Amino acid sequence: DVKVTQSSRYLVKRTGEKVFLECVQDMDHENMFWYRQDPGLGLRLIYFSYDVKMKEKGDIPEGYSVSREKKERFSLILESASTNQTSMYLCASFSYLPGGSSYNEQFFGPGTRLTVL
Amino acid sequence: AQKITQTQPGMFVQEKEAVTLDCTYDTSDQSYGLFWYKQPSSGEMIFLIYQGSYDEQNATEGRYSLNFQKARKSANLVISASQLGDSAMYFCAMRAHNTDKLIFGTGTRLQVFP
Repeated sequence: DVKVTQSSRYLVKRTGEKVFLECVQDMDHENMFWYRQDPGLGLRLIYFSYDVKMKEKGDIPEGYSVSREKKERFSLILESASTNQTSMYLCASFSYLPGGSSYNEQFFGPGTRLTVL
Repeated sequence: AQKITQTQPGMFVQEKEAVTLDCTYDTSDQSYGLFWYKQPSSGEMIFLIYQGSYDEQNATEGRYSLNFQKARKSANLVISASQLGDSAMYFCAMRAHNTDKLIFGTGTRLQVFP
């Protein structure tokens, strides 16, 4: 079974702190994603990566950066946390299936509920 | 632009009854996939069912089925014989063939009562 793990389930930080959210997957997936989830807004893509050291901005990248030094690990960084970054953060990964199918189930981690005070 | 719309913020259903969760989508792509995920209160996203745009038959997975109406651009999830454990948030999502990204709807909170 694919396993995606996130470093913390709950995290409380103060405004201005630098925050690292870590995500690790064990299935050798090329693609990894960071989403944030807010009530009434669904999941919104922050950043994604399709290979080591490669990254692309999603829909809401402002205030975030990412790092992918190893294939299995994708880190989300809040350089200076702010209260409007209080949210649930979800990491996901997938790998393309042969044949060019649009099917690619994204496997999700358990989520990190971040509170910024 | 691609978009997923879930117009039902919340739904109630009695145990053992069937329920339909609505999802409409907007895309100009011919090849795409549609997904439904379940998110219990614990937070993890659980994949339920997938429908490809070229699939001629509606997808089914156990008690879950997807009512795919391509001309109307709808992909409603039908849960038969609801159980208390089905109480959760449900998200519809879409991925176009030539992209890596999933676009999610805003979700529907389903509550199953005895």
